[in-house]
Amino acid sequence: QVQLVESGGGLVKPGGSLRLSCAASGFTFSDYYMSWIRQAPGKGLEWVSYISSSGSTIYYADSVKGRFTISRDNAKNSLYLQMNSLRAEDTAVYYCARGRVEMATIVFDYWGQGTLVTVSS
Amino acid sequence: SYVLTQPPSVSVAPGQTARITCGGNNIGSKSVHWYQQKPGQAPVLVVYDDSDRPSGIPERFSGSNSGNTATLTISRVEAGDEADYYCQVWDSSSDHLVVFGGGTKLTVL
Repeated sequence: QVQLVESGGGLVKPGGSLRLSCAASGFTFSDYYMSWIRQAPGKGLEWVSYISSSGSTIYYADSVKGRFTISRDNAKNSLYLQMNSLRAEDTAVYYCARGRVEMATIVFDYWGQGTLVTVSS
Repeated sequence: SYVLTQPPSVSVAPGQTARITCGGNNIGSKSVHWYQQKPGQAPVLVVYDDSDRPSGIPERFSGSNSGNTATLTISRVEAGDEADYYCQVWDSSSDHLVVFGGGTKLTVL
């Protein structure tokens, strides 16, 4: 069965850095787009970034552009999110999600359980 | 950037039909996906491509999309359907952004 397990969350000071990981299993990782989606406490879902199956296509939300970097290692079935210059407003649960790309759309059919990132002094 | 508008809350009695709307400019020209999120849990896909259901999702969940409004319909609502529901589209015209609606809290009375 498809499994996505995030790790790397924690408490970090404003301006600090953190690297999230997502370990995938139960499917051919290299066939799928992958994405990070976050949810601030008590708030809705906010898309952060996605990466194509080969890693050649990457997009970011404006709120993280220039500070966050998404990457993947298909040999290790792993997705990453390098987060730099963290701000209080980046505090959220970060979900890893598998993306299925169809004509003119992307749908997230499996999600991990999330990892909490808290940015506070 | 593209905006999706959902009502903050919808209430329905058990056994009745719940309809959750998602408004957006000409949303009928896009594929809309719906996610269910229960407290403390990750979101789960319940409807994709406007009206298709993933395996394991009850037939009580259905969707439609036309004009400026997409709708998630839950028939014969059960207590276990109480959750937050989010719509989502891919705005390929706006730097390929993924857009979520603000979410709707479904309360089963």
